[in-house]
Amino acid sequence: AQSVTQLGSHVSVSEGALVLLRCNYSSSVPPYLFWYVQYPNQGLQLLLKYTSAATLVKGINGFEAEFKKSETSFHLTKPSAHMSDAAEYFCAVGVANTDKLIFGTGTRLQVFP
Amino acid sequence: DTAVSQTPKYLVTQMGNDKSIKCEQNLGHDTMYWYKQDSKKFLKIMFSYNNKELIINETVPNRFSPKSPDKAHLNLHINSLELGDSAVYFCASSPRKSGNTIYFGEGSWLTVV
Repeated sequence: AQSVTQLGSHVSVSEGALVLLRCNYSSSVPPYLFWYVQYPNQGLQLLLKYTSAATLVKGINGFEAEFKKSETSFHLTKPSAHMSDAAEYFCAVGVANTDKLIFGTGTRLQVFP
Repeated sequence: DTAVSQTPKYLVTQMGNDKSIKCEQNLGHDTMYWYKQDSKKFLKIMFSYNNKELIINETVPNRFSPKSPDKAHLNLHINSLELGDSAVYFCASSPRKSGNTIYFGEGSWLTVV
């Protein structure tokens, strides 16, 4: 069965600091991996996705993630945090041969001035 | 134009009532979903439909009945509401192909009192 694990339910950074949100996956087949962001009282918006074309994936708002098969990881990074990045971030894996996503438990990012 | 729209956004109702949430997508996608997000932000798929046909039913109580009149609409009817049904319900859609992005609506905040 496929799954994702997000390490750290809360991450706090200062404005301008590096953002690192961790996601590890479990999959017996090459996975499709996604990062979504949820701002307060809003729906989920796709940040980026990995579909085996390139291991370093660039997304919106300056975020990127690197697929590392040896570490079964797909961590999300941003070089310099902005106040507007404060939100809940979800890692997800696409279940093989289906249309569904399995989500991690989410990481709340707080950005301090 | 909103890609995936759902109504109402907020709904407060008493235990035992029956309520519906409507969803429409204008993306031309074949597959539509209902996801539930609980108070701890955990997201889980409830149903998926492809071209009006039920594909996924994740052991949801049969008080929950999805209905898809056409491939652009997927409504969720809930009978005999319980306190534990309080959650955010997200409608979503995607082209039918494993690994495709799922696009989410803004969510419907249901509170059962």
